[in-house]
Amino acid sequence: QSALTQPASVSESPGQSITISCTGTSSDVGAYDFVSWFQQHPGKAPQLIIYDVNDRPSGVSNRFSGSKSGNTASLTISGLQAEDGADYYCTSYTTSSTWVFGGGTKLTVL
Amino acid sequence: QMQLVESGGGVVQPGRSLRLSCAASGFTFSNFAMHWVRQAPGKGLEWVAVRSYDGSKAFYADSVKGRFTVSRDNFENTVYLQMNSLRAEDTAVYYCAREDDVTDAFDIWGQGTMVTVSS
Repeated sequence: QSALTQPASVSESPGQSITISCTGTSSDVGAYDFVSWFQQHPGKAPQLIIYDVNDRPSGVSNRFSGSKSGNTASLTISGLQAEDGADYYCTSYTTSSTWVFGGGTKLTVL
Repeated sequence: QMQLVESGGGVVQPGRSLRLSCAASGFTFSNFAMHWVRQAPGKGLEWVAVRSYDGSKAFYADSVKGRFTVSRDNFENTVYLQMNSLRAEDTAVYYCAREDDVTDAFDIWGQGTMVTVSS
């Protein structure tokens, strides 16, 4: 049950786009399309922003999008806004009927 | 509205036990699998355990297997996490989360309860 691999941090200017990768194995990310992404602001509970690789819950901005290729999933945020600055986590279902999170990525909007 | 409220956190000595509760409201609790996820201070999220919607199945992270037990009471709309043989590395905010029955995503989270394991 090793954590999925995410970059520790990413930064970009407002209005630009960023992509955060989430790399797993053929036993998790590569096995199913049950990949979700969460946004977490300091001191707050995580909030679901992408599920099933590329679907958005109602109320989540269409600036957030997801994709997957092989064992790597990705989250793209376009038109960066100051309020997008937060920690982002991916998670995947695994072939052991468990779940695994990524280590998290801190996004700084410059 | 749909809500999850955790309770039961606190300071406990290594080797001792603690039971967390997560009370659900605003939705049909018995239709949903329920998870526990934790976050050590300054660290990332770690999945801990899940109990199926009907209570028949449970799965655990290797880090807690054999020490933690997740259970639920569908009459009381509550999921529990019994934590035994606690270690310093179990110190974290513990969140409960609902697994949506269609998307399998963790769509509702509680506010978390802090557990500190220290002598």
